[in-house]
Amino acid sequence: ETGVTQTPRHLVMGMTNKKSLKCEQHLGHNAMYWYKQSAKKPLELMFVYNFKEQTENNSVPSRFSPECPNSSHLFLHLHTLQPEDSALYLCASSHRQGGYGYTFGSGTRLTVV
Amino acid sequence: TQLLEQSPQFLSIQEGENLTVYCNSSSVFSSLQWYRQEPGEGPVLLVTVVTGGEVKKLKRLTFQFGDARKDSSLHITAAQPGDTGLYLCAGALNSGYALNFGKGTSLLVTP
Repeated sequence: ETGVTQTPRHLVMGMTNKKSLKCEQHLGHNAMYWYKQSAKKPLELMFVYNFKEQTENNSVPSRFSPECPNSSHLFLHLHTLQPEDSALYLCASSHRQGGYGYTFGSGTRLTVV
Repeated sequence: TQLLEQSPQFLSIQEGENLTVYCNSSSVFSSLQWYRQEPGEGPVLLVTVVTGGEVKKLKRLTFQFGDARKDSSLHITAAQPGDTGLYLCAGALNSGYALNFGKGTSLLVTP
């Protein structure tokens, strides 16, 4: 049990589908993050939420839409994705935004067909 | 331009050997962290270093933060197959910023 749970673990979706990724943390952390991990690339920061407020959107296309209803839950809503969006999507949390140790979930392996 | 450069990209060694992997940047970091990621899982935090010149040990792993806080190294003594994984370094440019990650060093330790 890592303390950060991501569902689903695997997702295959068509380019016209709408799906959502869910992340939940039970660590009492106040910051949550979405990262994208593709082969041969460093982890790419997508969104940051600090105390439920979005503090960073790293030029992510609008087909990715985050939602943070409270400090424990984070969603990533997906629609009209492209095949190049296939990747491992990682959620992380930390005490608060900044250079604190992150706890990552196991990720959602997304394949867009 | 990548903020953090890790080397080597790949390393394959036999059990019992020693190794060092590097994380370099031209930027100064307020803190730097090392993570290990196994296939199909998320990265797991190994250590955080915050002071220039700092050395931290975690069993057979020794982490060093450069004096100028621009680089770091991870040394593993007597590597074991359980050390196999992707080693990622990550840094925060400012205490209020999210982490930037390097591409990682993929380590394979064979029996």
